[in-house]
Amino acid sequence: QQPVQSPQAVILREGEDAVINCSSSKALYSVHWYRQKHGEAPVFLMILLKGGEQKGHEKISASFNEKKQQSSLYLTASQLSYSGTYFCGTRTTGKLIFGQGTTLQVKP
Amino acid sequence: DTAVSQTPKYLVTQMGNDKSIKCEQNLGHDTMYWYKQDSKKFLKIMFSYNNKELIINETVPNRFSPKSPDKAHLNLHINSLELGDSAVYFCASSPDRGTYNEQFFGPGTRLTVL
Repeated sequence: QQPVQSPQAVILREGEDAVINCSSSKALYSVHWYRQKHGEAPVFLMILLKGGEQKGHEKISASFNEKKQQSSLYLTASQLSYSGTYFCGTRTTGKLIFGQGTTLQVKP
Repeated sequence: DTAVSQTPKYLVTQMGNDKSIKCEQNLGHDTMYWYKQDSKKFLKIMFSYNNKELIINETVPNRFSPKSPDKAHLNLHINSLELGDSAVYFCASSPDRGTYNEQFFGPGTRLTVL
């Protein structure tokens, strides 16, 4: 079942912060985050595992609440280059199921 | 030095035609995938191969047939194209089937069916 992301879209000024949430109706064992810039391929940002293990880019931070079956991606001091669509993905039966995406636009 | 490459980048064709999309990865990965991204940006897995073996086969019309001649290549053949097949198709690869693996996506093939 597809995870649900919120908000659907965010508009920020450079330097502002944003939080993107991802929730699932099923138990989560891992959450994967990707960013897709317009006209480009999705690019890996971070993986969070049940138990607290994480793998990803240093400048990206995220949390994983296993009990609430939620994950949040924190974008601080946003830059123009952060603009794009952010997808969370949850793994089930060996495959990655992506959320509907959150579009982030950072303005000067 | 492209990690995951796809050809062609754009494909415009008429309904009813048959077309193929090719994908190659030079990362030495064991697992490859095909995803479809529709006009609403919904990214959905279609197929996955691990070492040339089909391991994920989603509910996809049987007009779509993947083939993996070796673990570095995964092709997608589509028969009798329909308007609803118009989308961006992404190939991806990962080191193996493990949960802790990131996926590397190719640049995508934008298919337009007229």
